Amino acid sequence: QSALTQPASVSGSPGQSISISCTGTSSDVGAYISVSWYQQHPGKAPKLIIYDVSARSSGVSNRFSGSKSGNTASLTISGLQAEDEADYYCSSYTGRSSFVFGSGTKVTVL
Amino acid sequence: EALLVESGGGVIQPGGSLRLSCAASGFTFHAYDMHWVRQAPGKGLEWICLISRDGDKSYYADSVRGRFTISRDNSKDSLFLEMKSLRNEDTALYYCAKDLVAGAFDVWGHGTGVSVSA
Repeated sequence: QSALTQPASVSGSPGQSISISCTGTSSDVGAYISVSWYQQHPGKAPKLIIYDVSARSSGVSNRFSGSKSGNTASLTISGLQAEDEADYYCSSYTGRSSFVFGSGTKVTVL
Repeated sequence: EALLVESGGGVIQPGGSLRLSCAASGFTFHAYDMHWVRQAPGKGLEWICLISRDGDKSYYADSVRGRFTISRDNSKDSLFLEMKSLRNEDTALYYCAKDLVAGAFDVWGHGTGVSVSA
């Protein structure tokens, strides 16, 4: 199972909105609602921010939102803040009780 | 507060074996499926295996199937990963993670490092 495709990097200025795409296939992202997003700061464990395509994890700011169209899921961060600078990973159920992560996107706040 | 603490990592020669442990606290361990996820140095996350809440079903990524075995002891709130025939490409930080729902990993440990090197 190949990793889901994410842009290597995305950047934005404080206060702006950015979106990160996560492209899979009709066998994973396109087939299931079990798409999640994680934030990982350097040297830290990943943190769940979005699950089931668009549900926010407990305690996560409403500046984070998720969506999906066809085989591509997206994470949008609105009102970008310095603390949002991190690596972001998507993941999807692939069937047969297996899962796959995205390649990861480094978000830089300019 | 839900907490996961991994242990057992270290430096091992290619072909060797290692057993990782993950101690859970702060949640009803036996009510949740559990996973191991790894991250090679400077690389992305890789899902490697899942065990059902009862421990009667387990599933593996192709990269580790036949070499790694996931298990759990619900009486001790513990998760394990038995790794055999280790390869250089198994070098990574290994995380245990709790499954909130269908592969949404809502609690992670801090990870334990495994380095496979001659």
